[in-house]
Amino acid sequence: EAGVTQSPTHLIKTRGQQATLRCSPISGHTSVYWYQQALGLGLQFLLWYDEGEERNRGNFPPRFSGRQFPNYSSELNVNALELEDSALYLCASSFLGQGASEAFFGQGTRLTVV
Amino acid sequence: AQSVAQPEDQVNVAEGNPLTVKCTYSVSGNPYLFWYVQYPNRGLQFLLKYITGDNLVKGSYGFEAEFNKSQTSFHLKKPSALVSDSALYFCAVRDPELIFGQGTELSVKP
Repeated sequence: EAGVTQSPTHLIKTRGQQATLRCSPISGHTSVYWYQQALGLGLQFLLWYDEGEERNRGNFPPRFSGRQFPNYSSELNVNALELEDSALYLCASSFLGQGASEAFFGQGTRLTVV
Repeated sequence: AQSVAQPEDQVNVAEGNPLTVKCTYSVSGNPYLFWYVQYPNRGLQFLLKYITGDNLVKGSYGFEAEFNKSQTSFHLKKPSALVSDSALYFCAVRDPELIFGQGTELSVKP
């Protein structure tokens, strides 16, 4: 069974541009989570989607947005890129949005803003 | 809000010795607690979880964790460390999304 897949693996953008990151969850999983892992800052929660709806967002500005499609895949969009947006962006999926189910992570997209 | 804390940025252990990576939690109600491991430039891999029941939880790769309600702790343990266990370890709590601790770098030397 395929795990969580993210694309692209690496992305280089110029300050001010927009970046789009994609995530395909494990088959049957309805919840998708996005995290930012910047150097020295640990894992910061960005967004949670379940059944096509945004359920929660972390403490990030509105230029971080996303959506979940009917097939449960998801996109993360980052507008007006800043240098400090450079980070590893991780997507995770789980069967249930709450409760005891663990989340499974993709390998991440390394975003570099120059 | 739920939170977890990992008091040690780095843990150094000799191969063959037991290892412990510490995690404390702050939650209202019953916690759902998790441990993940991250190898360099990779995503996170699920190791184990505590939901309810037995306070000693066994997981992947010989790891186990002990849930202690009175000390609000959920420490990760392994009886005999391997060099290949060297990685970044994260403790997490459901809130309902996963909220992670800051991570502990485990270094196992031959």
